[in-house]
Amino acid sequence: DTAVSQTPKYLVTQMGNDKSIKCEQNLGHDTMYWYKQDSKKFLKIMFSYNNKELIINETVPNRFSPKSPDKAHLNLHINSLELGDSAVYFCASSQVRLAGQNIQYFGAGTRLSVL
Amino acid sequence: SQQGEEDPQALSIQEGENATMNCSYKTSINNLQWYRQNSGRGLVHLILIRSNEREKHSGRLRVTLDTSKKSSSLLITASRAADTASYFCATDLNNAGNMLTFGGGTRLMVKP
Repeated sequence: DTAVSQTPKYLVTQMGNDKSIKCEQNLGHDTMYWYKQDSKKFLKIMFSYNNKELIINETVPNRFSPKSPDKAHLNLHINSLELGDSAVYFCASSQVRLAGQNIQYFGAGTRLSVL
Repeated sequence: SQQGEEDPQALSIQEGENATMNCSYKTSINNLQWYRQNSGRGLVHLILIRSNEREKHSGRLRVTLDTSKKSSSLLITASRAADTASYFCATDLNNAGNMLTFGGGTRLMVKP
């Protein structure tokens, strides 16, 4: 079974649309994350969320919003999509500070193309 | 600029050779991690080295950490074609949100 799963794997949409990407983890972890990987492979943290707090990278536009219905899910909603939002989005999870570590487990990614 | 920056950006070697990738960072860290990404896939954790450690081994992987120079290296010995992937270092600053900061990665190609 996949530990961290994201859907859809590919998402093609028009500018101005609103879309969501779903993420689920079955590892029992307490913290989930969203990353954006651009065309140059640079990976940038967008959000960190556990059942206590949401930490937002200050550079993320407020058109992006994470929503967590429960501890195992962290979905990413994007409003008014722009061309520059085209990228691969990765969900990840970790058990915070287990033995002083923060090893993260990643989903396979969602490739978003905004036309 | 990035917290973690890998060097070189790309590396091409023959099977059986060793591959060395370097990572530099700017601030004090709790630990440093290396991840691997195969084309079209998510990142997979390889190895973690704590700030009070200088060297760590895992199979064909050897990681070093020099906190005085704020740098780390990943050595893959006796490389195989299956090692072809991108390798990223990530720094754990023990910050709010427990976020890791990744570098831009080294793209390794191992030719059979």
